[in-house]
Amino acid sequence: DAGVTQSPTHLIKTRGQHVTLRCSPISGHKSVSWYQQVLGQGPQFIFQYYEKEERGRGNFPDRFSARQFPNYSSELNVNALLLGDSALYLCASSPEADTQYFGPGTRLTVL
Amino acid sequence: AQSVTQPDIHITVSEGASLELRCNYSYGATPYLFWYVQSPGQGLQLLLKYFSGDTLVQGIKGFEAEFKRSQSSFNLRKPSVHWSDAAEYFCAVGARNRDDKIIFGKGTRLHILP
Repeated sequence: DAGVTQSPTHLIKTRGQHVTLRCSPISGHKSVSWYQQVLGQGPQFIFQYYEKEERGRGNFPDRFSARQFPNYSSELNVNALLLGDSALYLCASSPEADTQYFGPGTRLTVL
Repeated sequence: AQSVTQPDIHITVSEGASLELRCNYSYGATPYLFWYVQSPGQGLQLLLKYFSGDTLVQGIKGFEAEFKRSQSSFNLRKPSVHWSDAAEYFCAVGARNRDDKIIFGKGTRLHILP
């Protein structure tokens, strides 16, 4: 079975730009969560979506937004990029809101 | 609020030696507990999880962890490490309320000596 997939793998943007990251969950999984992992730190929770509704939001500014589509795939959008947004962005899916299975991540570099 | 503490930033062990990675959590009720492993530049792979029942849980790659409620701990163990176990290990706590998020510790980097 295919695992969680994320695109793109790597991305380079400049400050002030906008970025969209995409995630396809494991087939049958209805919950998708997004995490930001800065180098040398553990992942930090950004959003959780379940059945297309936002179920949780972490301590991130409004520049971060997300949505989940009818096929349960998800997008994470970040506006007005800052240097500090450079990180590995991880998507995780779960059949309910318990065990999360992670994708390989998108490495975002902001110059 | 949920929190996770991994007191050891780096641990070095010799190949073939036993391993114990420490994890302490803070949560108001019985949490869900997880251990994940991350190789450089990669995503996270689930090693094992505790939801309820037997407090000693077995995972993949020969790892096990023991939930000790009285100590608020969930330490990861392996009797004999292999060079391929060198990676970053994250302990995480999740709530039983499906609206809550999973909180990760800062990780422990495991180094293996030949």
